[in-house]
Amino acid sequence: AQSVTQLGSHVSVSEGALVLLRCNYSSSVPPYLFWYVQYPNQGLQLLLKYTTGATLVKGINGFEAEFKKSETSFHLTKPSAHMSDAAEYFCAVSEMCDMRFGAGTRLTVKP
Amino acid sequence: GAGVSQSPSNKVTEKGKDVELRCDPISGHTALYWYRQSLGQGLEFLIYFQGNSAPDKSGLPSDRFSAERTGGSVSTLTIQRTQQEDSAVYLCASSQWDRGRENIQYFGAGTRLSVL
Repeated sequence: AQSVTQLGSHVSVSEGALVLLRCNYSSSVPPYLFWYVQYPNQGLQLLLKYTTGATLVKGINGFEAEFKKSETSFHLTKPSAHMSDAAEYFCAVSEMCDMRFGAGTRLTVKP
Repeated sequence: GAGVSQSPSNKVTEKGKDVELRCDPISGHTALYWYRQSLGQGLEFLIYFQGNSAPDKSGLPSDRFSAERTGGSVSTLTIQRTQQEDSAVYLCASSQWDRGRENIQYFGAGTRLSVL
């Protein structure tokens, strides 16, 4: 069965600094990988996804992630953090109809 | 509807009472998922439906939890004899899953359950 590990339950960056949220996965088949974002008191919103093709995928709000099969990783990055990026971020891996989420990383952005 | 709708948005109940949480998925979505998010915790998978069938019930925490889906649309998650540890946000998601296509899940805003 597939699983996801997110390294770091809390990440704090300064406004304008690089954002790096780490995600490693395990899957018995070529995975579909996702990042979701959750703002306070809201449901989850899809940020970006990797299915096949280009390993560097771009999402909304300036985020991107790179699928590295050799490292079984799908880290999320953004060159310059904005205050509005403060939220909880979830990495997920999907096999067929089943999806598993990581424990989440709470991103704090300091002014 | 335009998105996944969950009701109620907030539910306060007394320990030992039964509660029903409702999820109305996006029209046409065949797959429906229930998750639990406890304070400071990640997403805990509970159950998913493909149509009206639930191939995977392995995530249900105990036999006090049950779920059904009728008509391939609305789903109800029932918690019997609620306990304080059941307090959490219950999230529902739906997807237009089709074999060979990516499974993008769309989430509702959740039901915040508080058991006193």
